[in-house]
Amino acid sequence: DIQMTQSPSSLSASVGDRVTITCRASQSISRFLNWYQQKPGKAPKLLIYSASTLQSGVPSRFSGSGSGTGFTLTISSLQPEDFATYYCQQSYSTWTFGQGTKVEIK
Amino acid sequence: EVKLVESGGNLVQPGGSLRLSCAASGFSFSSYWMSWVRQAPGKGLEWVANIKHDGSDKYYVGSVKGRLTISRDNAKNSLYLQMNSLRAEDTAVYYCARSGSSFAFDIWGQGTKVTVSS
Repeated sequence: DIQMTQSPSSLSASVGDRVTITCRASQSISRFLNWYQQKPGKAPKLLIYSASTLQSGVPSRFSGSGSGTGFTLTISSLQPEDFATYYCQQSYSTWTFGQGTKVEIK
Repeated sequence: EVKLVESGGNLVQPGGSLRLSCAASGFSFSSYWMSWVRQAPGKGLEWVANIKHDGSDKYYVGSVKGRLTISRDNAKNSLYLQMNSLRAEDTAVYYCARSGSSFAFDIWGQGTKVTVSS
């Protein structure tokens, strides 16, 4: 089974900050890497698929990059509504989520 | 409007059974692979099971094989999860989700809560 490891597990940031979250796969997954945002008590929301393709309706301050085993999610200028937990997910061989990164207000 | 609505969650005793349902609307349900994803209290997301658009192939995470069964009825635009031999560690909110481009989960339901406790 493919394991996904996110870092950091949590971070504190201020509105306007640039935030980067990394995700590493235990084996190559090509570009089958997706990112989700989840707010408390709500279902997850797809932000990015295929490592770097922005889902329709997602603000352009979100971007993704990487291939193989290393990937990043970047929020260029953190907004109040971006405080949430972010998960990476591989869809190369069945599906596995990372453990999540909680983005908190500094 | 594209929508998924789960139902069937409840409190059940260890060893018991439960059947979850997910009603789809606003899209061609029979064209999409579908999944169940769960989230234990205070924990992260865990993919549970997936079924091909025509029901011909099914995939499960190791911890549920032989106990949970995914199925679908394309005529009723519905997805199901039959849960048998339930354990305390199955306690979670269960979401149904649609697999879109690159097999990412692009549409999610609101979730249904399953509690396994005596």
